[in-house]
Amino acid sequence: DAGVTQSPTHLIKTRGQQVTLRCSPKSGHDTVSWYQQALGQGPQFIFQYYEEEERQRGNFPDRFSGHQFPNYSSELNVNALLLGDSALYLCASSSTAGGGGYNEQFFGPGTRLTVL
Amino acid sequence: SQQGEEDPQALSIQEGENATMNCSYKTSINNLQWYRQNSGRGLVHLILIRSNEREKHSGRLRVTLDTSKKSSSLLITASRAADTASYFCAMGQGAQKLVFGQGTRLTINP
Repeated sequence: DAGVTQSPTHLIKTRGQQVTLRCSPKSGHDTVSWYQQALGQGPQFIFQYYEEEERQRGNFPDRFSGHQFPNYSSELNVNALLLGDSALYLCASSSTAGGGGYNEQFFGPGTRLTVL
Repeated sequence: SQQGEEDPQALSIQEGENATMNCSYKTSINNLQWYRQNSGRGLVHLILIRSNEREKHSGRLRVTLDTSKKSSSLLITASRAADTASYFCAMGQGAQKLVFGQGTRLTINP
C-alpha cells in the first residue's frame, strides 16, 4: 500500500516565478491538506481540500492556491514567488470515514522549494 | 491561532534512558497527535489521543493528555539511537487542520 507521495522532491525557482507541487494521497483517503514548514519551525497549515473544494484555509495570501482532482490527488500552486516562500512543503492525507474529528493525517516526504 | 508550545526545545540523553517531551496549547481541541521528523523530511505519525482520553500507549511510547491544564506529554522509554529526530505535537481541530508546536529536537547519544 503506497503512502502519500509528492513530486518533485526538490525545486529551485527565482523570485516572481510560479510553481506547482503535486501530491497523491494514501490509498483510501479522500482529504488532502498542505503545510509549509520553514527551517527550524513546525509546519503551518495552508489549506485543506475535500470533494474537490477548499474546505478551510490558513493564514496564507491568495498567491497560494490549490486544486483537488476526482482521484483525490492535489496540486499546490504558488504565484509570484518570494524569497520567504523557501520552505519544505508537506502534503498530508486523511479519511473522513469513521467519524470526523479523530482521524490521523499521514504526511508525504515533502517538496523542498528554494527561491533565489 | 492556537500554536502549541513544546518543552524542551532540545534534549540530549544517553541511549537506554527515557525521554520526556511536553506540549501545551491554548484552546480546546478534539485530539492531539504526536509526530516524528527525521532530518527535515516528512512527518511520521506516532500516536493520536482524543480529548476524552487521558493516557495512551504504543510500544515504547506513552502519551498523556490533561485537558484541564491544556497539556500533553510524550514519553519514550529505553531510547535508541534511531529515536534521534525532531518531535512535534499537533492540535487537531476537527478533521480540518492540525496546529503544530515548534518541536523538540531529541538526540540520543550512544
